[in-house]
Amino acid sequence: LAKTTQPISMDSYEGQEVNITCSHNNIATNDYITWYQQFPSQGPRFIIQGYKTKVTNEVASLFIPADRKSSTLSLPRVSLSDTAVYYCLVGVPGGFKTIFGAGTRLFVKA
Amino acid sequence: GAVVSQHPSWVICKSGTSVKIECRSLDFQATTMFWYRQFPKQSLMLMATSNEGSKATYEQGVEKDKFLINHASLTLSTLTVTSAHPEDSSFYICSGTGTANTEAFFGQGTRLTVV
Repeated sequence: LAKTTQPISMDSYEGQEVNITCSHNNIATNDYITWYQQFPSQGPRFIIQGYKTKVTNEVASLFIPADRKSSTLSLPRVSLSDTAVYYCLVGVPGGFKTIFGAGTRLFVKA
Repeated sequence: GAVVSQHPSWVICKSGTSVKIECRSLDFQATTMFWYRQFPKQSLMLMATSNEGSKATYEQGVEKDKFLINHASLTLSTLTVTSAHPEDSSFYICSGTGTANTEAFFGQGTRLTVV
């Protein structure tokens, strides 16, 4: 299972774009990259998933370089309610054993 | 997205008693279920993986006789914490995924407090 490394914490202000980078140097050919968001005392919530290049949905974008050894979650114009822990996971979709790294604690300030 | 319903959301029990936590997939068939525990300000720690109809596979250091996992159907998995002790107090989270899914769907979590 590919190990992931993320910054422990990040601070931002409302309205700013936030980019959280995750390193996964030993990602396997069949692995996808998935990001989850977790608020205190709640289960993780799916944000976005991708395999290569760029993926965008209504809440975030995911940038994956050609070598796939890292990925960047981009949150446009964050608000106070985006304060949470963000986890980057790598594995085979639909059947992977989801191993969580330490995650990144994002603090959004007014 | 698909929904996983976990109950109860919180429970307080006396030391020595057993507690059952249920995890239901409401709109998909969860062929695989995962159970995690999470301590304050820490990441989720995988406890076990269960495939429908099979015995659960426990992670190293997790006592299978203490944390009983049943996954008898494609929509229900249960975790029973037997003879609970205060050190078992934690946040327990389940997730499920099916063969047609590309990600795992998580329950709301259960806050267990053993007094």
